[in-house]
Amino acid sequence: NAGVTQTPKFQVLKTGQSMTLQCAQDMNHEYMSWYRQDPGMGLRLIHYSVGAGITDQGEVPNGYNVSRSTTEDFPLRLLSAAPSQTSVYFCASSLEAGAKRKYFGAGTRLSVL
Amino acid sequence: TQLLEQSPQFLSIQEGENLTVYCNSSSVFSSLQWYRQEPGEGPVLLVTVVTGGEVKKLKRLTFQFGDARKDSSLHITAAQPGDTGLYLCAGAQASGSRLTFGEGTQLTVNP
Repeated sequence: NAGVTQTPKFQVLKTGQSMTLQCAQDMNHEYMSWYRQDPGMGLRLIHYSVGAGITDQGEVPNGYNVSRSTTEDFPLRLLSAAPSQTSVYFCASSLEAGAKRKYFGAGTRLSVL
Repeated sequence: TQLLEQSPQFLSIQEGENLTVYCNSSSVFSSLQWYRQEPGEGPVLLVTVVTGGEVKKLKRLTFQFGDARKDSSLHITAAQPGDTGLYLCAGAQASGSRLTFGEGTQLTVNP
């Protein structure tokens, strides 16, 4: 079972560059979300989606865009990377929103120089 | 200010010792989850508690939800090196609402 797959695992960007972090799940989950994890801050919600075609902002959405054209995929775009976006990014999915069991990907470690 | 405060932030103990980590808030949660995260991996759900005063056991791990549903604890008996990891609590303030995560407790169990 693949579960939640994130690519790439590691990425280094220069300030101002753009990139897309990929996330795919094969569990037919309606709810998908993106978090960033920083030391001493826990996991903070960036954007989430309750189903294909529907996205919404989380706690820290600035500088990130998302789209959900299919149930399986939920890419996160950084339009103009900044050093403050250096972090570990996790994609998660669950059957529905709220306190349902979340399945996390292995993460993408991003450094912005 | 974190909605969920975890303590301690770091804990280093010897194999065989017992330990308790705490997750506290001034807010009431309809449910609370505990996750464990190992280096280079995403968090993995250990347990969900939904009833005030509820106690759940998972082998050597005992989870408790406070009577007022504002806090939770995780107790590990006879810790083993395999228990090493980052333990995260996460709560939902209402059914269907988003999860809020604590900052985590980094546990190291030395052989």
